[in-house]
Amino acid sequence: GAGVSQSPRYKVAKRGQDVALRCDPISGHVSLFWYQQALGQGPEFLTYFQNEAQLDKSGLPSDRFFAERPEGSVSTLKIQRTQQEDSAVYLCASSFRTRAGELFFGEGSRLTVL
Amino acid sequence: GESVGLHLPTLSVQEGDNSIINCAYSNSASDYFIWYKQESGKGPQFIIDIRSNMDKRQGQRVTVLLNKTVKHLSLQIAATQPGDSAVYFCAENPNAGGTSYGKLTFGQGTILTVHP
Repeated sequence: GAGVSQSPRYKVAKRGQDVALRCDPISGHVSLFWYQQALGQGPEFLTYFQNEAQLDKSGLPSDRFFAERPEGSVSTLKIQRTQQEDSAVYLCASSFRTRAGELFFGEGSRLTVL
Repeated sequence: GESVGLHLPTLSVQEGDNSIINCAYSNSASDYFIWYKQESGKGPQFIIDIRSNMDKRQGQRVTVLLNKTVKHLSLQIAATQPGDSAVYFCAENPNAGGTSYGKLTFGQGTILTVHP
């Protein structure tokens, strides 16, 4: 596709439900990042993949958060037993570089936990 | 960068004026900096970047200035247009502990409003 695609754009979950958020990066992009953006704040790093390898998951807030990129392309961020504090926009970004360079962000998935 | 919660700094300008948005970054080891523009309901959009071996870089209508001595970054927008209205974030690549792959730390955002 022309850009990073994320789905769903909006997700409402009841507390305790599991959710899965999908990211389809730009074709050929090696690096993939997940960020969490709370209302009124800047994005905060969650995790990083280089191809299918998850090289950094230091930003995941708890073991309820899990991300995968099994074939080095599409990635899924899964949140188990959602809590109200998980409500945020989850942004995916990709880059063709493996070193610091421009990241291309998707439009995000807005999660609201009731 | 510090998070300021819901109370983001704001800047209001008239169309055609020049805008300057400032950012203080936190890590003296950072070697790469980016400015992003984020419109409501959208993801951040790259504007311009600069590496630590430079102190100024110009793009189309935008200039980024880097002062490593005081850990300060600024974005200058010339002839600001209503379409420039958005939240602007600076971001740094800490480049510590092997994070040269581009893990970014975002600073506080600034809300820019351009009045016609």
